[in-house]
Amino acid sequence: AQTVTQSQPEMSVQDAETVTLSCTYDTSENNYYLFWYKQPPSRQMILVIRQEAYKQQNATENRFSVNFQKAAKSFSLKISDSQLGDTAMYFCAFMINTGTASKLTFGTGTRLQVTL
Amino acid sequence: GAVVSQHPSWVICKSGTSVKIECRSLDFQATTMFWYRQFPKQSLMLMATSNEGSKATYEQGVEKDKFLINHASLTLSTLTVTSAHPEDSSFYICSASGTTGEGAKNIQYFGAGTRLSVL
Repeated sequence: AQTVTQSQPEMSVQDAETVTLSCTYDTSENNYYLFWYKQPPSRQMILVIRQEAYKQQNATENRFSVNFQKAAKSFSLKISDSQLGDTAMYFCAFMINTGTASKLTFGTGTRLQVTL
Repeated sequence: GAVVSQHPSWVICKSGTSVKIECRSLDFQATTMFWYRQFPKQSLMLMATSNEGSKATYEQGVEKDKFLINHASLTLSTLTVTSAHPEDSSFYICSASGTTGEGAKNIQYFGAGTRLSVL
């Protein structure tokens, strides 16, 4: 079974600063995907970024980037130039690559508060 | 693209009644849909996986006779909470994944969720 651990229940960052959210996972699989989703107060789950395990290059999406360390089973999210709209719950998630859609295993989440 | 609509957003019902929640993929064909439950300030827990045209696969501990899932078309899945009781009160979220276009690449796109309150 796969497990995803987010060790930071809450974090705070000032507007325009950079923050890194941690995520570690445990699996015996070699082919999988990792995701970061955000859930703002509206509770709508929004995909932030996706990483394919076989790709060594870290994924980036505008102000969001990841540090994927496969051997260490670590998948941290860096948010640069933080904005008030980044305030949300962030969930790290794992999916085995079966070639079709398969279940997501979520971490417990990190609540990020962006302050002025 | 890749929009998933979930309806209703909030429903209040009396104990013992049944409630149906709809999940629609608006701009892609969802071959697989997932239903999650989220308790306050907690993570999402997968309840079941449904593939179009076949029976849903339920996670361990989820009562399939209480949580009926139907995925009759490539754009619609429904979750019916039968004989609801106060302990079924929760936030239910669906997600959808396809095989082509925006819904592809093993990405799950989520609906906005349904808050169920059973009195």
